Amino acid sequence: DTAVSQTPKYLVTQMGNDKSIKCEQNLGHDTMYWYKQDSKKFLKIMFSYNNKELIINETVPNRFSPKSPDKAHLNLHINSLELGDSAVYFCASSQAASGGETQYFGPGTRLLVL
Amino acid sequence: GESVGLHLPTLSVQEGDNSIINCAYSNSASDYFIWYKQESGKGPQFIIDIRSNMDKRQGQRVTVLLNKTVKHLSLQIAATQPGDSAVYFCAETPNDYKLSFGAGTTVTVRA
Repeated sequence: DTAVSQTPKYLVTQMGNDKSIKCEQNLGHDTMYWYKQDSKKFLKIMFSYNNKELIINETVPNRFSPKSPDKAHLNLHINSLELGDSAVYFCASSQAASGGETQYFGPGTRLLVL
Repeated sequence: GESVGLHLPTLSVQEGDNSIINCAYSNSASDYFIWYKQESGKGPQFIIDIRSNMDKRQGQRVTVLLNKTVKHLSLQIAATQPGDSAVYFCAETPNDYKLSFGAGTTVTVRA
């Protein structure tokens, strides 16, 4: 019955590697998001897709590339991983891309770059 | 730039007491506000929301107060329980879908 799920939960990798994080929502929502939470718990939006189309692209290095094969999935691929990419990455979804829509979060992917 | 912030990074409260968590925001265009709770090792979980045309909204054991004049938001938790120990975030959006989150307040409930 998981509403928003992410895989993997933990990811430990070496600098310079390429990795992907997957997200799926079974809520029937149209909009999905990726957030990054740093070591001080600060949450910042990275990307958002609405019906498979990119609608938010914050100032994120182009090593990060989101992909939405359908509106229930939003994956995040990261090239050439750096130490500063270590963080918790959260996927979220909402019914629509409009103000006032509650966003539901996944459990997070804890990425550690060594 | 516009930001959302919390007054205190930590709050320690005795079990059974009421908790008040404060949040200040600077974007006067914000019209929708949300409180999230994040337990250790989990994602943020929706608690309660309020729109700018209201100044108070109540849920189960929680109340959100909005003072638009001073751009202040608070979350009150009645009869705080051990399960309320978590990091609490306020978030706001100025009529779009980009939520801006505050830094979070860590609430610790003492037995």
